[in-house]
Amino acid sequence: AQKITQTQPGMFVQEKEAVTLDCTYDTSDQSYGLFWYKQPSSGEMIFLIYQGSYDEQNATEGRYSLNFQKARKSANLVISASQLGDSAMYFCAMKLTGGGNKLTFGTGTQLKVEL
Amino acid sequence: GAVVSQHPSRVICKSGTSVKIECRSLDFQATTMFWYRQFPKKSLMLMATSNEGSKATYEQGVEKDKFLINHASLTLSTLTVTSAHPEDSSFYICSATPGLAKETQYFGPGTRLLVL
Repeated sequence: AQKITQTQPGMFVQEKEAVTLDCTYDTSDQSYGLFWYKQPSSGEMIFLIYQGSYDEQNATEGRYSLNFQKARKSANLVISASQLGDSAMYFCAMKLTGGGNKLTFGTGTQLKVEL
Repeated sequence: GAVVSQHPSRVICKSGTSVKIECRSLDFQATTMFWYRQFPKKSLMLMATSNEGSKATYEQGVEKDKFLINHASLTLSTLTVTSAHPEDSSFYICSATPGLAKETQYFGPGTRLLVL
């Protein structure tokens, strides 16, 4: 069975600084996708970025980039130039290609951006 | 991105009553919808996978008679919490996917259920 591990329950970063949120995963499958979601206090889940297991380049979406290290089974999220509005819960998730589109979520990291 | 709506956003009910939560994909056809439950400051826990026109597949430990799921069309799935009790109070989130492997699940805004 697949597993996602987020070891940082909480992180603080100063405004305009970059921050890395850690995510490691465990699966024996070769084909999978990795996702990051942001959940503000309102509760909605906002899709941020996607990385496929066969993608050779790290995914980037605006200020978000995914540091994908396949051999180490890590998929860290990097947020550059942090903004106060980035304060939220962040979840890493994985979907196996043959897994019926089911997502497995990590436990999340609470990010607080400070002035 | 695609839009998924959820209704109601908040509901308070008395113990013993049933509550129905609707999940709609507004601008795409969702072959599969998912229902999650989330406790405060915790991760999302998948309850069941709902496929249009067939019975839902429940995760281990989720009572299918307690949480009734109906996926009547490609744009609508409903979750009914039957005979709700205070321990059913939680945040329920649905998601929908068009089904492509690379496609993310699109999440609804969630429903906060409080059972008194």
